[in-house]
Amino acid sequence: GAVVSQHPSRVICKSGTSVKIECRSLDFQATTMFWYRQFPKQSLMLMATSNEGSKATYEQGVEKDKFLINHASLTLSTLTVTSAHPEDSSFYICSAVVGNSNQPQHFGDGTRLSIL
Amino acid sequence: RKEVEQDPGPFNVPEGATVAFNCTYSNSASQSFFWYRQDCRKEPKLLMSVYSSGNEDGRFTAQLNRASQYISLLIRDSKLSDSATYLCVVMDSNYQLIWGAGTKLIIKP
Repeated sequence: GAVVSQHPSRVICKSGTSVKIECRSLDFQATTMFWYRQFPKQSLMLMATSNEGSKATYEQGVEKDKFLINHASLTLSTLTVTSAHPEDSSFYICSAVVGNSNQPQHFGDGTRLSIL
Repeated sequence: RKEVEQDPGPFNVPEGATVAFNCTYSNSASQSFFWYRQDCRKEPKLLMSVYSSGNEDGRFTAQLNRASQYISLLIRDSKLSDSATYLCVVMDSNYQLIWGAGTKLIIKP
């Protein structure tokens, strides 16, 4: 099946640090990738849709200058949390779709971000 | 009203029993439906897509009722390894996924 790899899996850093998370599709090309955030005991929340070669589409309430997304190739999208603060601590997960947009999404392993 | 609603549980079920979850959705224009499972502190993994005619994959059966706007998941002969949170996911007409909050299942020996 489709494999999506996410790195790093765990980040602990000081407040004010910028953190970059990578999402790679290993065995397929992904024109579109998605970035989610999940707080404990809550649903996944879509943050943005990342499109290869163009600007990401952000959901309402998500600051694009805070969460920088770069989808430079068909197999890699990155999310950078700039000047992270404790309230940014969360589980960040990327996903990608194989083929048409109506197909199910396949998820990376997720990145657990803890800002001290 | 939430767009996708699930009973949060937990459902405590003895090993070997059959368990069923329902999930209701509010948007009648929703076009695709999925069940994912998520283990504690892990990413969601696709369990199965849900088709109009219903579909089965081993011990798992999914049903869709468009008239009443709900989908269901049935697990037969439950195993300890089935313990997880089961997420109902609905795709709207803009290909956006709307996630339920999940139903927690605990299989007891």
